[in-house]
Amino acid sequence: RKEVEQDPGPFNVPEGATVAFNCTYSNSASQSFFWYRQDCRKEPKLLMSVYSSGNEDGRFTAQLNRASQYISLLIRDSKLSDSATYLCVVYTARNSGYALNFGKGTSLLVTP
Amino acid sequence: DVKVTQSSRYLVKRTGEKVFLECVQDMDHENMFWYRQDPGLGLRLIYFSYDVKMKEKGDIPEGYSVSREKKERFSLILESASTNQTSMYLCASSFRQAYREQYFGPGTRLTVT
Repeated sequence: RKEVEQDPGPFNVPEGATVAFNCTYSNSASQSFFWYRQDCRKEPKLLMSVYSSGNEDGRFTAQLNRASQYISLLIRDSKLSDSATYLCVVYTARNSGYALNFGKGTSLLVTP
Repeated sequence: DVKVTQSSRYLVKRTGEKVFLECVQDMDHENMFWYRQDPGLGLRLIYFSYDVKMKEKGDIPEGYSVSREKKERFSLILESASTNQTSMYLCASSFRQAYREQYFGPGTRLTVT
């Protein structure tokens, strides 16, 4: 089983729609969680951290369910500029340090 | 603004050549990372470094080595390039606390012919 799994999509949604991405992780000892965004031909950038209590940043809401080892990202009122690949990222301690494990990403296309 | 720069955006090398990819960050970050990104495989960690002259293997270190002689600079070396090392290479840096944000460079698209 992959450490971090995401539905690759693509998700094609009209402007104004609400869309949700899911991510599962395999290591129950994982400690921190993030969503990164990667625009076409650009580098990944941190979108938001994911906290146990859930957190919101404008139109974006992130949720964590430790029991189910599941992370989600909800985007409300989608904009054309939200079109990108969204990477689920899990921080896990290793013997020799730590690792950030990246999911393969979920592709979102918001259409007019 | 944090700046992570990589020496080349595009690079074409021949099989068997030695290849150096350079990464420089200007935020005094302790941690630096090298990833490669391939379609369908996502981002995979090659090597990382917590401090000067320190390195740790990531998930796919075979065929690569690294060097960190100065805090701001982290080099990835392909001792003898092969066609299966054709990829997008991304450098990243962060503060020591692991949960902090990683800042990525723009990437180097390496083609090995």
